[in-house]
Amino acid sequence: EVQLVESGGGLVQPGGSLRLSCAASGFLFSTHSMNWVRQAPGKGLEWLSYISGKGSTVNYADSVKGRFTISRDNGKKELYLQMNSLGDDDSAIYYCARGWFGESATPNWFGPWGQGTLVIVSS
Amino acid sequence: DIQMTQSPFSLSASVGDSVNITCRASQSISTYLNWYQHKPGKAPKLLIYAASSLQSGVPSKFSGSGSGTDFTLTINSLQPEDFATYYCQQSFSPLYTFGQGTKLDIK
Repeated sequence: EVQLVESGGGLVQPGGSLRLSCAASGFLFSTHSMNWVRQAPGKGLEWLSYISGKGSTVNYADSVKGRFTISRDNGKKELYLQMNSLGDDDSAIYYCARGWFGESATPNWFGPWGQGTLVIVSS
Repeated sequence: DIQMTQSPFSLSASVGDSVNITCRASQSISTYLNWYQHKPGKAPKLLIYAASSLQSGVPSKFSGSGSGTDFTLTINSLQPEDFATYYCQQSFSPLYTFGQGTKLDIK
């Protein structure tokens, strides 16, 4: 069974940092691109970042570019999101989602998704 | 960035009804359009990819159509488990964007 499990969320002060992880199982991790998507309270889904299967291509939404860094360890079958300079607007549930293709960013679709990890930015 | 606009924002319907949710892109995106279902506390679920292809395991009551800038998700014979929020998403640009979501609730 394909499974994605996020971890690393929690309470962090404004201006702080947090590193999220996503553990993958049940599929050949290195052959799929991966993404981070978040949902702030009362808001819709917001795509944040993409990384290709080999890790050679990364993309970011403007809202997180320069603050967040996506990475992956194919040997460990793990995806990461390093989040710096966190602000109140970054409070959200963060999901990892498997991309359908490995090295092509377009077209692409996401499935499955993890259950999410909650990040709260507050003093 | 490509903006995705869904309508309606919310929709009330009864069990057994059929509904249409529309999604409009700010520029042509060919058929690079996906639909997801999201229930509170659950992981989002892929329903339709490439505008009209049904994801494996998804009931045929869900269908998608459209190309260019205008797309539609149709759900037939609504059942209680179908009441959720639905999102479109474009992958024409590598900076993916979602629509704002359409919340479907029971009338």
